[in-house]
Amino acid sequence: GEDVEQSLFLSVREGDSSVINCTYTDSSSTYLYWYKQEPGAGLQLLTYIFSNMDMKQDQRLTVLLNKKDKHLSLRIADTQTGDSAIYFCALDAGNMLTFGGGTRLMVKP
Amino acid sequence: SQTIHQWPATLVQPVGSPLSLECTVEGTSNPNLYWYRQAAGRGLQLLFYSVGIGQISSEVPQNLSASRPQDRQFILSSKKLLLSDSGFYLCAWSGNNEQFFGPGTRLTVL
Repeated sequence: GEDVEQSLFLSVREGDSSVINCTYTDSSSTYLYWYKQEPGAGLQLLTYIFSNMDMKQDQRLTVLLNKKDKHLSLRIADTQTGDSAIYFCALDAGNMLTFGGGTRLMVKP
Repeated sequence: SQTIHQWPATLVQPVGSPLSLECTVEGTSNPNLYWYRQAAGRGLQLLFYSVGIGQISSEVPQNLSASRPQDRQFILSSKKLLLSDSGFYLCAWSGNNEQFFGPGTRLTVL
């Protein structure tokens, strides 16, 4: 099956850029997603990228996809304290999504 | 617009008691529906998914079961809860190549 890996923790200062990384093993996914989970809440879809794209930008968010290295990243520009949350990458597999373990982003003022 | 509801929001149950968590979706028809569990400090684990009424696929063998009695209703159940069933349970539906999540139910088994 698909393995999706993320680092557990990232700490940045307010105003800096954050880069959250995700690696995967199966390259057959059509869409790759980034979700945000705030404490005690459900998951919120932030953005997604189609597998034939290398980059997608959406306001402060930039998604980079390196299919050769099977590496997906989410860059948050000008990180704010409100960005503190757990971020999950996910890949589609037919009717289902396979999620990474999540990266906890802590933003220090 | 589509909305997804889960209840209860929080639940504390003793070991060995039954469980029923409910998820309903509004504003869409014949959605694919999913139950995920998030254990403390861990990622998401897909438990069940359903592509239609009465059609349930189980991803992880355990003492939980799911049912889909109506098109937009998905129920997660257990006859006897275990301590290891504690966690945050999320229901989701998919459409237009996206998955949309409910607010979650936090279950604590004591």
